[in-house]
Amino acid sequence: GEDVEQSLFLSVREGDSSVINCTYTDSSSTYLYWYKQEPGAGLQLLTYIFSNMDMKQDQRLTVLLNKKDKHLSLRIADTQTGDSAIYFCAHENPGTYKYIFGTGTRLKVLA
Amino acid sequence: ETGVTQSPTHLIKTRGQQVTLRCSSQSGHNTVSWYQQALGQGPQFIFQYYREEENGRGNFPPRFSGLQFPNYSSELNVNALELDDSALYLCASSLRGSSQETQYFGPGTRLLVL
Repeated sequence: GEDVEQSLFLSVREGDSSVINCTYTDSSSTYLYWYKQEPGAGLQLLTYIFSNMDMKQDQRLTVLLNKKDKHLSLRIADTQTGDSAIYFCAHENPGTYKYIFGTGTRLKVLA
Repeated sequence: ETGVTQSPTHLIKTRGQQVTLRCSSQSGHNTVSWYQQALGQGPQFIFQYYREEENGRGNFPPRFSGLQFPNYSSELNVNALELDDSALYLCASSLRGSSQETQYFGPGTRLLVL
């Protein structure tokens, strides 16, 4: 299966932490990715995690991977208004070179 | 280091027409992938080009075709445009043969078919 599921919306207050969740069906992916898309723009790579890791931290971003449950999350610490965007998780479909994307989670940060 | 660029940024066509979209890969990259992103959805893989050949294709009809040039830039051609082809078309480049072939995306071309 190639499905990647994400919740559609998340609203947080400025300064709080945001947690964006993603579930996927293909357990053979080597890397999983998080991309950010601002209105009218392309996709910006935020971070990625190798499938044999449980956690990766990169400044305000923390990625958690539960391979058993096929669950990926992105935590943004001290969320700012500039973090308002759509966040996509994605994985590479092994052997095909294509990325499978979720439907995206729209994060709204309230001042 | 030059990032991925795409042209044009916006385009309006009518049903039945043909369109060509262009992509320049990030410097040092040798592979280009094309995605279609309909409004409110995630990107859908169209195809990938490596060494000037199509190398993997998603569920898109043959009227979607492409090219890759010796300088690794690429074109996406869509014939007989349909209303449902209205979308943001994203190009991504990567380096095949590296330890981790992350795809880096351009800003996209927004196509409207009337």
